[in-house]
Amino acid sequence: DAKTTQPTSMDCAEGRAANLPCNHSTISGNEYVYWYRQIHSQGPQYIIHGLKNNETNEMASLIITEDRKSSTLILPHATLRDTAVYYCIKFGNQFYFGTGTSLTVIP
Amino acid sequence: EPEVTQTPSHQVTQMGQEVILRCVPISNHLYFYWYRQILGQKVEFLVSFYNNEISEKSEIFDDQFSVERPDGSNFTLKIRSTKLEDSAMYFCASSEGQFSGNTIYFGEGSWLTVV
Repeated sequence: DAKTTQPTSMDCAEGRAANLPCNHSTISGNEYVYWYRQIHSQGPQYIIHGLKNNETNEMASLIITEDRKSSTLILPHATLRDTAVYYCIKFGNQFYFGTGTSLTVIP
Repeated sequence: EPEVTQTPSHQVTQMGQEVILRCVPISNHLYFYWYRQILGQKVEFLVSFYNNEISEKSEIFDDQFSVERPDGSNFTLKIRSTKLEDSAMYFCASSEGQFSGNTIYFGEGSWLTVV
């Protein structure tokens, strides 16, 4: 069962929007897309999730393509504290972490 | 905001010793999990637990591991005879429901060092 595909690393300038892509081309109808982040070795922190529609909360926005094969997490105004590893997970009846995207926010 | 709490935050133990890691899941959650992360590697699923039974476990979760909900609030992971390769960060997590659509919330972890 293929999981998700994310770039290994990305940089973003402080104050700019960070757009983190994720490919989940094998997603099935009942699987949600979840995003978590992990700062250093702290516990994974829930950010946002969605099924079909775009979602927004106080932390981020999630844009899911119409065919649901990919999504983008948007941090609208990245700060230095957003430097972390970001995980995109497709969650049906199993919940597994990949290697994620290491986002570095640059001053 | 409710959170998953774990103790101890860091434990050093000698090889061959038994270790118990403790977790207090979010109070209205019914599903509990343990994950681990070896330094520099990805977060790996160990086990899920519901209604006082293991509902799923990975290949990592062998006979030296056990989980228990000894009372109404705690959820524990026991490693019977620790090995050097058990050194890792162990994360407890909980969710209201089992499958997709039910967000899993993680604790801050217990760092286990086996010497």
